[in-house]
Amino acid sequence: EADIYQTPRYLVIGTGKKITLECSQTMGHDKMYWYQQDPGMELHLIHYSYGVNSTEKGDLSSESTVSRIRTEHFPLTLESARPSHTSQYLCASSEYGESGPQHFGDGTRLSIL
Amino acid sequence: DQQVKQNSPSLSVQEGRISILNCDYTNSMFDYFLWYKKYPAEGPTFLISISSIKDKNEDGRFTVFLNKSAKHLSLHIVPSQPGDSAVYFCAGLSGAGSYQLTFGKGTKLSVIP
Repeated sequence: EADIYQTPRYLVIGTGKKITLECSQTMGHDKMYWYQQDPGMELHLIHYSYGVNSTEKGDLSSESTVSRIRTEHFPLTLESARPSHTSQYLCASSEYGESGPQHFGDGTRLSIL
Repeated sequence: DQQVKQNSPSLSVQEGRISILNCDYTNSMFDYFLWYKKYPAEGPTFLISISSIKDKNEDGRFTVFLNKSAKHLSLHIVPSQPGDSAVYFCAGLSGAGSYQLTFGKGTKLSVIP
């Protein structure tokens, strides 16, 4: 079973704050992903990475940014949080290859007041 | 425009009976289809997948059927157990260099003891 960790699990914070959501995996997976999910809705891909120094935007436009300086670490940053950023953010990783399933962390539930 | 549709938001099944979860898709370019299970406050967990060139894949109590002509797949759980109660997401995997998962909105399965 893949080990992928997200912190914090829950965050309630005021508008205008800078936020970094952490994601780390210990599987040595090259590919990592960030999804955003609202209650009762599908997961939407907002960022992905194929490896160190690789980052791409996903299908859903997001004001967040990501970085991939180390294989195991894929943090997501919001420079100035707004209430519209309130959502659940899920990080995932997978081995390189077409059929490798993505393994998910338990998510960060973010609430912007 | 939803490429993956799960039209039943919820499903209730008696313990020991068969659970059938359905999924329709519009994108003919999906290479694989995956099913994920999600418990509250946890990330999605990979359950089973099927290649687009197959019509059936079985793993223990879980079987996925793919009907490409109808662009339809289904997940069968036999026999259903109370621990199967969760939200089930269907997802299509695109290759073509991006390996992105496109998710449906999920179906909440309740297995009644």
